[in-house]
Amino acid sequence: NAGVTQTPKFRVLKTGQSMTLLCAQDMNHEYMYWYRQDPGMGLRLIHYSVGEGTTAKGEVPDGYNVSRLKKQNFLLGLESAAPSQTSVYFCASSQQGKNIQYFGAGTRLSVL
Amino acid sequence: GENVEQHPSTLSVQEGDSAVIKCTYSDSASNYFPWYKQELGKRPQLIIDIRSNVGEKKDQRIAVTLNKTAKHFSLHITETQPEDSAVYFCAAPGNFGNEKLTFGTGTRLTIIP
Repeated sequence: NAGVTQTPKFRVLKTGQSMTLLCAQDMNHEYMYWYRQDPGMGLRLIHYSVGEGTTAKGEVPDGYNVSRLKKQNFLLGLESAAPSQTSVYFCASSQQGKNIQYFGAGTRLSVL
Repeated sequence: GENVEQHPSTLSVQEGDSAVIKCTYSDSASNYFPWYKQELGKRPQLIIDIRSNVGEKKDQRIAVTLNKTAKHFSLHITETQPEDSAVYFCAAPGNFGNEKLTFGTGTRLTIIP
């Protein structure tokens, strides 16, 4: 039982490049989340999903897209990376009816 | 939406002393208040949570208190140890129930040996 797994762990992009971050969970959770963590800013919600095929915007959605084609996977896409998207990205999941969120190990992204 | 404010942003205490971190929230619909601990370079992990039908909850050296009237809740760590050094985050759901959480900006706690 791996919990929440994020790939990759580290990535360096040039401005304008695109990439996809993958989150996978094996706990059969309905809800999944993408956060970014910046110094002094805490955890800010980018997008989230309450079920397969559904997504919703969070606090800071601009510049990101997401997809939830399978219940266990939640993908975060950056179409045209900008230096302002340099951050640590965390995925999390939770069970419907429960508030407890389980986090992945994070992806450290640098955009040059 | 929910607005969660957390203080202080940094806190240093002598080993063995107590530490208190406070959070305020804006949405009176919030009914669940978790605390997450994030060690350096690691993922956030839930350490304790409280629901709005109780005023206090303890788990060994950590406790959380809730004042719904004043809309604030606090994390208390007693007999602090070096392994308590970490960043702590509070959160609240607002009127989204269990759908999502709004996190505070975090408190970096340093335990001085």
